[in-house]
Amino acid sequence: AQSVSQHNHHVILSEAASLELGCNYSYGGTVNLFWYVQYPGQHLQLLLKYFSGDPLVKGIKGFEAEFIKSKFSFNLRKPSVQWSDTAEYFCAVPWNNAGNMLTFGGGTRLMVKP
Amino acid sequence: NAGVTQTPKFQVLKTGQSMTLQCAQDMNHEYMSWYRQDPGMGLRLIHYSVGAGITDQGEVPNGYNVSRSTTEDFPLRLLSAAPSQTSVYFCASSYSTGISGANVLTFGAGSRLTVL
Repeated sequence: AQSVSQHNHHVILSEAASLELGCNYSYGGTVNLFWYVQYPGQHLQLLLKYFSGDPLVKGIKGFEAEFIKSKFSFNLRKPSVQWSDTAEYFCAVPWNNAGNMLTFGGGTRLMVKP
Repeated sequence: NAGVTQTPKFQVLKTGQSMTLQCAQDMNHEYMSWYRQDPGMGLRLIHYSVGAGITDQGEVPNGYNVSRSTTEDFPLRLLSAAPSQTSVYFCASSYSTGISGANVLTFGAGSRLTVL
């Protein structure tokens, strides 16, 4: 069965610090990878996705992620975080090869101090 | 264009009560799904639907029922609420890619349920 693990449950950074959130997956089908973000009091929204092609994917708000097949990883990065990046971040893969439903990691709660 | 609308936003139930969480989308999406979000566990799939009249179980279906009589609506029913069902529930929808492959989900704002 597909699974996703996120290594960091809580991360606290100061503004302008660099961010890297780990995500490892176990997935037997066509690799499709997602990062979703949930800002305080809001619903989940897509940050970025990888379906194929260039393994370095750029998303909204300056985020990027790199798909490393040999490491089964899809880590999320941002060179310089802002206070407004305070949110919970979820890595996800298709659930049971059904691309329109997802299996999520446990989430990483990021707090950025001004 | 409202996207995915969930009601109610908040609900408190007593153990054993039943209730329905409503979910409606106006994007003509074929796929709809329900998730529950619990601290440290991410979101877990409860039930899903690939089109009107077709539903199936996800990862944690026990204690929940769904139906899909129209493309727009996908209600989630709690038959006899238990404290373990205290959670935040999210409904999501997406359109078919036409071939096997993944797609982006549009989520509702969530419904926070407390079972006493």
